[in-house]
Amino acid sequence: DGGITQSPKYLFRKEGQNVTLSCEQNLNHDAMYWYRQDPGQGLRLIYYSQIVNDFQKGDIAEGYSVSREKKESFPLTVTSAQKNPTAFYLCASSHRGQNTEAFFGQGTRLTVV
Amino acid sequence: DAKTTQPPSMDCAEGRAANLPCNHSTISGNEYVYWYRQIHSQGPQYIIHGLKNNETNEMASLIITEDRKSSTLILPHATLRDTAVYYCIVRVYNTDKLIFGTGTRLQVFP
Repeated sequence: DGGITQSPKYLFRKEGQNVTLSCEQNLNHDAMYWYRQDPGQGLRLIYYSQIVNDFQKGDIAEGYSVSREKKESFPLTVTSAQKNPTAFYLCASSHRGQNTEAFFGQGTRLTVV
Repeated sequence: DAKTTQPPSMDCAEGRAANLPCNHSTISGNEYVYWYRQIHSQGPQYIIHGLKNNETNEMASLIITEDRKSSTLILPHATLRDTAVYYCIVRVYNTDKLIFGTGTRLQVFP
């Protein structure tokens, strides 16, 4: 069935290691997004992509990297340069344009120890 | 980019209407307003969206002021399962960015 999938649901890494979070959608959406959420806070935009092979920085891109080689995939790498990587990460996708809603995955909770 | 402002928390009695306000005074004329809600540790769930006309679906109603500087999400008969954080979002024209505010934590009580 159609949807957006994030994996894994929980992820643990040692400090100083890079880690890649997966986001896959089979909704034929052009636009994809990554958000970060800290406890008790709202969602902050990390990166977004409107089309394959193109992506833009959001408000908190430092310490993160992305790629968009395929329409259905938008992986996020949390690098060792990210000072405080422990957080809840959410991926979303949508058709382009104003009058269309975005669909969210169920999130990946990353804990760096 | 347009910003949204919402009250941090609200209470509502079960069975009553919940009216959640949002201010988006810097919204551009062709930018839509979206509402999502998030139950703890889950991905946000779409509720409704609109441009300038009032909208209604099976979940809620959206009232947008004539000057488009604010809107109100109405849950007509709140239930305990409507307890969640509700986000009012502006979709930025041309970039498709979805800018989240800090949200309103709605507590529905029996």
